[in-house]
Amino acid sequence: EVQLVQSGAEVKKPGESLKISCKGSGYSFTSYWIGWVRQMPGKGLEWMGIIYPGDSDTRYSPSFQGQVTISADKSISTAYLQWSSLKASDTAMYYCAKLLTTVTTCAFDIWGQGTMVTVSS
Amino acid sequence: QSALTQPRSVSGSPGQSVTISCTGTSSDVGGYNYVSWYQQHPGKAPKLMIYDVSKRPSGVPDRFSGSKSGNTASLTISGLQAEDEADYYCCSYAGSYTWGVFGTGTKVTVL
Repeated sequence: EVQLVQSGAEVKKPGESLKISCKGSGYSFTSYWIGWVRQMPGKGLEWMGIIYPGDSDTRYSPSFQGQVTISADKSISTAYLQWSSLKASDTAMYYCAKLLTTVTTCAFDIWGQGTMVTVSS
Repeated sequence: QSALTQPRSVSGSPGQSVTISCTGTSSDVGGYNYVSWYQQHPGKAPKLMIYDVSKRPSGVPDRFSGSKSGNTASLTISGLQAEDEADYYCCSYAGSYTWGVFGTGTKVTVL
């Protein structure tokens, strides 16, 4: 079964760092782009960025460039999303998702269960 | 990059058809045939319903169909069923700077 399993919910204070993970299984992890999508409480989906685990080629939305870092460790089939200094406005559900093809940046066919990040003092 | 524009809500009775629009620009929806649609039930991860404007992934009922005209893409749900009640989002490739952009989302209510 093709699946993405994300790390558990996090509660952090403003200014702290954080790295959440997304482990793929059941398919060739290095052959498909993995993306990250933010959903703030009660709000819509936001496209953050994608990474190709095969060579770590990464593309960011201008809205998230410089705000987060996307990385991957192909040896353990895991992608990451990290913050160096969290803000309260980073409070959201974060989903990782696998792209269906290498051509489009929007056809995410497999999704993780989501990781809720809460940033509060 | 602004989100693609969708109506906040649409509704229909069981068995009817509803259409959700997704309006962008020539830099995203109008410039490429790479529009996808997602269904999201409360508390759940999104599910891919349509990709590349009109293609259905395996397992998605053929009641769901997609199309595009100019800068506007559309998702039509025919033979509306109770389980179709959910939020729907479009998403489009937006060129090699913005890369991807989602729509504002539409709540579908089955009356």
